[in-house]
Amino acid sequence: DVKVTQSSRYLVKRTGEKVFLECVQDMDHENMFWYRQDPGLGLRLIYFSYDVKMKEKGDIPEGYSVSREKKERFSLILESASTNQTSMYLCASSLGTASYNEQFFGPGTRLTVL
Amino acid sequence: ELKVEQNPLFLSMQEGKNYTIYCNYSTTSDRLYWYRQDPGKSLESLFVLLSNGAVKQEGRLMASLDTKARLSTLHITAAVHDLSATYFCAVDPNMEYGNKLVFGAGTILRVKS
Repeated sequence: DVKVTQSSRYLVKRTGEKVFLECVQDMDHENMFWYRQDPGLGLRLIYFSYDVKMKEKGDIPEGYSVSREKKERFSLILESASTNQTSMYLCASSLGTASYNEQFFGPGTRLTVL
Repeated sequence: ELKVEQNPLFLSMQEGKNYTIYCNYSTTSDRLYWYRQDPGKSLESLFVLLSNGAVKQEGRLMASLDTKARLSTLHITAAVHDLSATYFCAVDPNMEYGNKLVFGAGTILRVKS
């Protein structure tokens, strides 16, 4: 079974803090993704990565950065947390073939910025 | 821009009833995935549909894909309370989108006893 883990289920931070959200997958997947989910707004893609050290912006990258130094690990960084970044953050990974791209999701991190 | 539309967005139904959730998309694709999300939880995979005419069933849920109509359906048979959740469809629009999926907005299903 594919396993995607996230470093924290719940996180509370203060405005202006630098926040790191970690995601690890154990199935040697090429692609990794970070989404945020807010009520009424569905899933929104923040960043994704299709290879080590490669990253591409998603739909809402402002205020975020990412790091992928190893294939299994994809980190989301909030450089200076703000209250409007309070949200549920979901990490996902996929194999990355031409014919099959099902994404497998981690348990999510609910971040509150005070 | 690829659009994925689910309807209804909210569905309240009685236990024992049948209903269908629709997922329409605007580009050619023969790969579509259904996910379930329980309140406060993450998304879990339900069905993988990888060709025209694909049909998958699990318990009271059945999903199908019609690539010519650009339509997938998720049919609920004799609903039970445990099926209450949010259901997402996600379209896989081929390599031109860089292995990304495009998700529908989700259908919130509430099954009342």
